[in-house]
Amino acid sequence: NAGVTQTPKFQVLKTGQSMTLQCAQDMNHNSMYWYRQDPGMGLRLIYYSASEGTTDKGEVPNGYNVSRLNKREFSLRLESAAPSQTSVYFCASSTRLGLQETQYFGPGTRLLVL
Amino acid sequence: ELKVEQNPLFLSMQEGKNYTIYCNYSTTSDRLYWYRQDPGKSLESLFVLLSNGAVKQEGRLMASLDTKARLSTLHITAAVHDLSATYFCAVVGTSYGKLTFGQGTILTVHP
Repeated sequence: NAGVTQTPKFQVLKTGQSMTLQCAQDMNHNSMYWYRQDPGMGLRLIYYSASEGTTDKGEVPNGYNVSRLNKREFSLRLESAAPSQTSVYFCASSTRLGLQETQYFGPGTRLLVL
Repeated sequence: ELKVEQNPLFLSMQEGKNYTIYCNYSTTSDRLYWYRQDPGKSLESLFVLLSNGAVKQEGRLMASLDTKARLSTLHITAAVHDLSATYFCAVVGTSYGKLTFGQGTILTVHP
C-alpha cells in the first residue's frame, strides 16, 4: 500500500495564479483532511471530508476550495494564490474503529507564492 | 474554541538525560495524539491516548494523559540523537475527527 500520496511535491506560483493540490489514499478510509503547516504554528485544518460526498470547513478555509472526488481522492484548490498561502500542505486520511482513530499523513506539498 | 499549547517549544538535551514535554488543552476531549516529524518529512503517529490515566510507552518515549487537568506529557528517557525531531500533540475537540495541534516542540539531542 502506498498510504497517502500527494502531488505535486513542490510548486512555485505567482500571485493570482490558480492550482490544484491532489491527494489520494489507498487505505479505504472514510475521512480525509487538508492541513497547512507554517513555522511556529503547528498544523491548521483547512477543510475536511468526513465521508464521500461531504466536505466541511476547518479553522482556516478562506482562499481555498475542496472536492471529494470519490472515496480515494480529495483535492484542494487555490483559485487566486496569495503570498500568505506560502506554506507546506499536508493531506491526511483516517477511519474510526470504536474510539480508536488515527490520521495518516501524506508527504506534503511545499508551495511558494511569489 | 479549543486551544492546545506545548512547552517548551525548543528543547536542547544531552544524550543520556531525561526530560518531559508538556501539552495543555483548553476544553474537554476524549482523545489525544502525539506525532513526530523529522525535518522536511511528514508526520508519524506515536501514541493515541483515549482515557484518563492512560499511559503508553514505546522505547525511550512514554506518554500519559490526565483529562481532569487537561494535560498530557511526553517523557523522554536517556535521550539518544535519533530522537531529534519535532514533536506535536493534537487533540480532538467536539467535532468528529477534527484535530487541533499544538505548536510543536523542536527537540535536539547533542552528544
